[in-house]
Amino acid sequence: DGGITQSPKYLFRKEGQNVTLSCEQNLNHDAMYWYRQDPGQGLRLIYYSHIVNDFQKGDIAEGYSVSREKKESFPLTVTSAQKNPTAFYLCASSIFENEKLFFGSGTQLSVL
Amino acid sequence: SQQGEEDPQALSIQEGENATMNCSYKTSINNLQWYRQNSGRGLVHLILIRSNEREKHSGRLRVTLDTSKKSSSLLITASRAADTASYFCATDAGETSGSRLTFGEGTQLTVNP
Repeated sequence: DGGITQSPKYLFRKEGQNVTLSCEQNLNHDAMYWYRQDPGQGLRLIYYSHIVNDFQKGDIAEGYSVSREKKESFPLTVTSAQKNPTAFYLCASSIFENEKLFFGSGTQLSVL
Repeated sequence: SQQGEEDPQALSIQEGENATMNCSYKTSINNLQWYRQNSGRGLVHLILIRSNEREKHSGRLRVTLDTSKKSSSLLITASRAADTASYFCATDAGETSGSRLTFGEGTQLTVNP
């Protein structure tokens, strides 16, 4: 099945720890995105990448980092600099920039 | 910043009734998209409407776009309990928005059986 896979589904972070959220797609999409969703809120863009080896900051990039070494993969690292990391994180991909995004099932990150 | 704003924030209807959700935005757009999200899940794309289009249909869904009023509406006809979800509009304002898709805060739709 073609699709976009996020792992893990649940993740717990200790204070001062960096954690990495995985996002893999086999849809052959060039564009990939990371969004953060807080309870009852819309999505806020963290980082996006329109092509391999290139990525751009979104609206709330501070405390996060990404890499795009392969077309299929766009991992997100939540660093210790992100003081309020508890949220639902969604990865997405699309054929064309900003059109018809396909989303993964999300990762719920909580702080221990 | 939030470009699209949905209205109402929450909507509760009976099965079989129609549901209408609205989205207003602030700047000119290239396209506007509607997504659905079941609780605790990822979003699913429903419809994309471009700035030169006024209406699109997909099954029981009808989307309209009024660029003069900077607003869009999503109509779900003959609603079912399975339509219960949050619905988000997202706008692509091109270079004006830094070439990114901006989501509103959503309308929570509850369809009672």
